[in-house]
Amino acid sequence: AQKITQTQPGMFVQEKEAVTLDCTYDTSDPSYGLFWYKQPSSGEMIFLIYQGSYDQQNATEGRYSLNFQKARKSANLVISASQLGDSAMYFCAMRESGAGKSTFGDGTTLTVKP
Amino acid sequence: GAGVSQTPSNKVTEKGKYVELRCDPISGHTALYWYRQSLGQGPEFLIYFQGTGAADDSGLPNDRFFAVRPEGSVSTLKIQRTERGDSAVYLCASSLSRTNEQFFGPGTRLTVL
Repeated sequence: AQKITQTQPGMFVQEKEAVTLDCTYDTSDPSYGLFWYKQPSSGEMIFLIYQGSYDQQNATEGRYSLNFQKARKSANLVISASQLGDSAMYFCAMRESGAGKSTFGDGTTLTVKP
Repeated sequence: GAGVSQTPSNKVTEKGKYVELRCDPISGHTALYWYRQSLGQGPEFLIYFQGTGAADDSGLPNDRFFAVRPEGSVSTLKIQRTERGDSAVYLCASSLSRTNEQFFGPGTRLTVL
């Protein structure tokens, strides 16, 4: 069965610094996709970045990058140059090949300090 | 273009009542998903539609929960004989196909008194 673990319930970072949010996953499927979503206090889930299990390079999207270590089954999100607007809940999710559904972790609350 | 919309945004009902939650996906998206999110937790999968048919309903907690998507666009999640434990935010998402990223709606906050 799929499982996503986010071990950091809460994280603090100083504005303009980088922060890493941890995510480990468990699957027996060799083909899968990993996603990160941001959920501000308004409640809407915002897609940030995607990494396929066969992708050779780590995904990047602007200030977001995904540190994908397949052997360790980890997919950490790195946010560079943090901004106050980055304060939110962040969720890691995985979808196995052939499946429509995604399995989510319990999230990490990020607080950016001015 | 318009994103995923969900109505109502808030629903308060009494234990034992029937409720319907509506989801309007992004135009052209064939895949539609329902998730349930309890406070302090990640979204929990309920059901996934590909077109009009439910491709995976393994997340529905019991037979009080049912969802339809009769024309392959709008979907309705139906909950019979609501219980206090059904209180949560119900999220709908859609994607171009099951392999693409999912775009979420703002959710419906259901409170069962």
